[in-house]
Amino acid sequence: GIQVEQSPPDLILQEGANSTLRCNFSDSVNNLQWFHQNPWGQLINLFYIPSGTKQNGRLSATTVATERYSLLYISSSQTTDSGVYFCAVERDTGRRALTFGSGTRLQVQP
Amino acid sequence: EAQVTQNPRYLITVTGKKLTVTCSQNMNHEYMSWYRQDPGLGLRQIYYSMNVEVTDKGDVPEGYKVSRKEKRNFPLILESPSPNQTSLYFCASSLWGGPQHFGDGTRLSIL
Repeated sequence: GIQVEQSPPDLILQEGANSTLRCNFSDSVNNLQWFHQNPWGQLINLFYIPSGTKQNGRLSATTVATERYSLLYISSSQTTDSGVYFCAVERDTGRRALTFGSGTRLQVQP
Repeated sequence: EAQVTQNPRYLITVTGKKLTVTCSQNMNHEYMSWYRQDPGLGLRQIYYSMNVEVTDKGDVPEGYKVSRKEKRNFPLILESPSPNQTSLYFCASSLWGGPQHFGDGTRLSIL
């Protein structure tokens, strides 16, 4: 099956710092999503981005499908950004199962 | 507000006592799915449904049942729960080809 690798696995930032999270995938995909899992366990959909660039406030994402990677940028980080960030890809247009990476655990310190 | 609602959010129960986790979405989505999340194993798909009365197995269907009698609802049934089904469960839904939206999760603990 497809492999999804995220880096770095762990990241500690001071409030206000910027960061870039990376997601590499081993084969072509139909869709790619970024999620934030907060400390309460909720999975929040950040971006649906099979290709191109999108921005939402302090967050932006870029997917280069031909090179099989996606980047999530977090600017001016806040303590509420803490949690685990997952990249998930979808290949099978029927079953639509998302294959998740192992995540980047982000801790933003005040 | 567009959302996917799961109930209960938390449940502690005992082996063998049948339980149902409900999932409801108000976005008129055709596609719905269940995942479980376990440390070291990540999120894995249990069952999915492409529309009313159309369901199929995901990666880890053993010990689970589902039904899709109405478009908005997709309950997950554990007829004889066992401790290895202790997990964090998520329901997801989407329009065909669109982003998948997840519920807030259900923490099940089976003693």
